[in-house]
Amino acid sequence: GAGVSQTPSNKVTEKGKYVELRCDPISGHTALYWYRQSLGQGPEFLIYFQGTGAADDSGLPNDRFFAVRPEGSVSTLKIQRTERGDSAVYLCASSLGGTGHYNEQFFGPGTRLTVL
Amino acid sequence: ILNVEQSPQSLHVQEGDSTNFTCSFPSSNFYALHWYRWETAKSPEALFVMTLNGDEKKKGRISATLNTKEGYSYLYIKGSQPEDSATYLCACPFLDKLIFGTGTRLQVFP
Repeated sequence: GAGVSQTPSNKVTEKGKYVELRCDPISGHTALYWYRQSLGQGPEFLIYFQGTGAADDSGLPNDRFFAVRPEGSVSTLKIQRTERGDSAVYLCASSLGGTGHYNEQFFGPGTRLTVL
Repeated sequence: ILNVEQSPQSLHVQEGDSTNFTCSFPSSNFYALHWYRWETAKSPEALFVMTLNGDEKKKGRISATLNTKEGYSYLYIKGSQPEDSATYLCACPFLDKLIFGTGTRLQVFP
């Protein structure tokens, strides 16, 4: 079956612009996660959705970052007034259940964002 | 928040060599350890989920061990091949999220 997909695969933008990154989770997965991997770091948690609601947004770095999942399936990560430090690979993952240490998370290929 | 560390940061080996690298994590309140392989431009792929102290899991030429008392896991690759070149990530669940190490970037030269 189809895995997690993310679009675009690459995005180059200029400082100050607005960007949207999209994630299509595996069908039937209720939990969706966004992570960000900056150069030289491991992926860092941004936000977690259970269904339509953001259950934990403690990883969002500041109020320029916002994410939605209006119908409990596709999610969009929105970044306003992008800065060079936002350049990273943005990963999306989905899992069957909600919180659960044994719930395997399935990852998409990521969107590589470059802010010039 | 818990701290997950990996070493070395990068590794270059010749085809046919065996290699191993380390993931360390806090031994208190341990629930599980995940290993992922992440090739460039692809999705991170789950290799193992390990939960029991002394666990050893194997997938082809790749195996992993777990010591929850001392807080470490080893990943071994036997007879490395160029297609093994990737970043290997370990992660521990914490509440509703995974906490990742910085990864070990493996390059296997033919």
